[in-house]
Amino acid sequence: QQQVKQSPQSLIVQKGGISIINCAYENTAFDYFPWYQQFPGKGPALLIAIRPDVSEKKEGRFTISFNKSAKQFSLHIMDSQPGDSATYFCAASITGRRALTFGSGTRLQVQP
Amino acid sequence: DAGVIQSPRHEVTEMGQEVTLRCKPISGHNSLFWYRQTMMRGLELLIYFNNNVPIDDSGMPEDRFSAKMPNASFSTLKIQPSEPRDSAVYFCASSQGQGNQPQHFGDGTRLSIL
Repeated sequence: QQQVKQSPQSLIVQKGGISIINCAYENTAFDYFPWYQQFPGKGPALLIAIRPDVSEKKEGRFTISFNKSAKQFSLHIMDSQPGDSATYFCAASITGRRALTFGSGTRLQVQP
Repeated sequence: DAGVIQSPRHEVTEMGQEVTLRCKPISGHNSLFWYRQTMMRGLELLIYFNNNVPIDDSGMPEDRFSAKMPNASFSTLKIQPSEPRDSAVYFCASSQGQGNQPQHFGDGTRLSIL
């Protein structure tokens, strides 16, 4: 059972544009929602994370929007740059259990 | 600072052979995770340890897979006997403290079973 659904599978954005990646979850016990960024040949690296007691978190050009009632959250990359080209994974976990459930990933390509 | 170190980076072996993947977590981290990444199934948690003790191994595919953490600075994931469907990238990650601390991933071992 896929507990975290991620879309789109791939995304092409022009330099300077906004990249938007969406995730939906099923398990209402999830209370921690990180996003990971993965470059080819590397392991995923934590980008930004949010807990359900806030609706938005911003770090630089990266923003997470969270909708608890809809069980959805999204990553927005403002002013997308070619260096942002990577695969992005949303994830979810339950505090105390630590194990992350990952979405299927979105391959982002930012064209110069 | 040294990150999570995995070895080997690449492994190619024939079906039926034993495969051992190694991981050195970040010093001071008390949780260690093994993940498998494939195109079909994405990133899947296989097992995780807390303070060297296996906490959840429900993701381990079958008895051919085993993982150990003999001390705080070393873990192994073993596949015996290996099968072509085990071909994947295997990641090790570690984190420290309690609660939702960031997991730091190694660069993975790309395993190909012929």
